[in-house]
Amino acid sequence: DVKVTQSSRYLVKRTGEKVFLECVQDMDHENMFWYRQDPGLGLRLIYFSYDVKMKEKGDIPEGYSVSREKKERFSLILESASTNQTSMYLCASSGPPGQVTYEQYFGPGTRLTVT
Amino acid sequence: EDKVVQSPLSLVVHEGDTVTLNCSYEVTNFRSLLWYKQEKKAPTFLFMLTSSGIEKKSGRLSSILDKKELSSILNITATQTGDSAIYLCAVRTTGNQFYFGTGTSLTVIP
Repeated sequence: DVKVTQSSRYLVKRTGEKVFLECVQDMDHENMFWYRQDPGLGLRLIYFSYDVKMKEKGDIPEGYSVSREKKERFSLILESASTNQTSMYLCASSGPPGQVTYEQYFGPGTRLTVT
Repeated sequence: EDKVVQSPLSLVVHEGDTVTLNCSYEVTNFRSLLWYKQEKKAPTFLFMLTSSGIEKKSGRLSSILDKKELSSILNITATQTGDSAIYLCAVRTTGNQFYFGTGTSLTVIP
């Protein structure tokens, strides 16, 4: 069964802290994504990666960085957390365009609160 | 600028009603359009559409893509309270980017 897991369901951090959000998928997918979801704004893409050590900025990369050292793991890093980064963070993965079905599979989400 | 727009933003109906949710897009290098249902957790996949005019159906849900009009609709017939959710539309590009709409919040009243 397809599985995308995220390291924490709920996280509370202080302003200025460095925050790591981890995402692991077991489907051997090439593509992995980090989104944040806020009321009224929908899902917004922060970064995505189409291969190990490769990354591309999404719509809102400011204040975030990512790391993809292994195919199954994609980390989102908040170098210095700020209150406007309080949000639900969703990780997703998908296979390459050549696959018959290539919808995204989402993790359960991490609700991050920065105080 | 690439974008995906969904309408209406929210909808309240009674059980048994039929609803139509709309998604329009302006995305270069379109590859496919996807519909998701999101309840209290992460989105779950409903349909993927790549060709115009071919209806995808799953139970009471169906969807169709119109590439000429750059739009898609999601129909739900005989709605049930369990259909209450946010329905998300996304467009995937040939470059593997996904653009999401803000979603339509559907509430089905018993």
